Amino acid sequence: AQSVTQLGSHVSVSEGALVLLRCNYSSSVPPYLFWYVQYPNQGLQLLLKYTSAATLVKGINGFEAEFKKSETSFHLTKPSAHMSDAAEYFCAVSEAQGTGFQKLVFGTGTRLLVSP
Amino acid sequence: SAVISQKPSRDICQRGTSLTIQCQVDSQVTMMFWYRQQPGQSLTLIATANQGSEATYESGFVIDKFPISRPNLTFSTLTVSNMSPEDSSIYLCSTERTGLNYGYTFGSGTRLTVV
Repeated sequence: AQSVTQLGSHVSVSEGALVLLRCNYSSSVPPYLFWYVQYPNQGLQLLLKYTSAATLVKGINGFEAEFKKSETSFHLTKPSAHMSDAAEYFCAVSEAQGTGFQKLVFGTGTRLLVSP
Repeated sequence: SAVISQKPSRDICQRGTSLTIQCQVDSQVTMMFWYRQQPGQSLTLIATANQGSEATYESGFVIDKFPISRPNLTFSTLTVSNMSPEDSSIYLCSTERTGLNYGYTFGSGTRLTVV
């Protein structure tokens, strides 16, 4: 079964600093990978996804992630943090089922804190 | 991409009662997924629902506690039965999008508090 590891339950950065949120997955075949953001008291919003096209994926709000097969990683980055980026971030990997569909397996989440 | 309307958005329920959560999709979808997000935790898949067949439950979840209906390709319900405070969570439904725009769409969630 697939698993997703997000290193660091909390990451603190200053406004304007680089954001790096780490995600590693376990898979013997190239998976589909996703980053979602959840603002307080809100649902999940897709930031970006990797579906076996370009390994560097650009998403919304200036975020991007790079798929590195050799490292089984899909880390999320943003060059300059903004106060509005403070939220919970979830990495997820799709897992193929025998019946043809794929289900999502989520990491434990990383809370991004941005200070002035 | 599909849009999911989920209701209720939140509810406060007495222990021992049941709550049914509804998800309406604006297009036909094959699979619907139900997740639970306990306070401060990540999302855990409860079950997968295919139209016309019984839902498939993940380890640790049982049909008696979380019965699911999937009467057609645009609608599904999840019931949280005989609730206890430990059931206080956010419950979300989701669908899988196939094809060129592969991905998942989520409902806005139901925040359940059991007192």
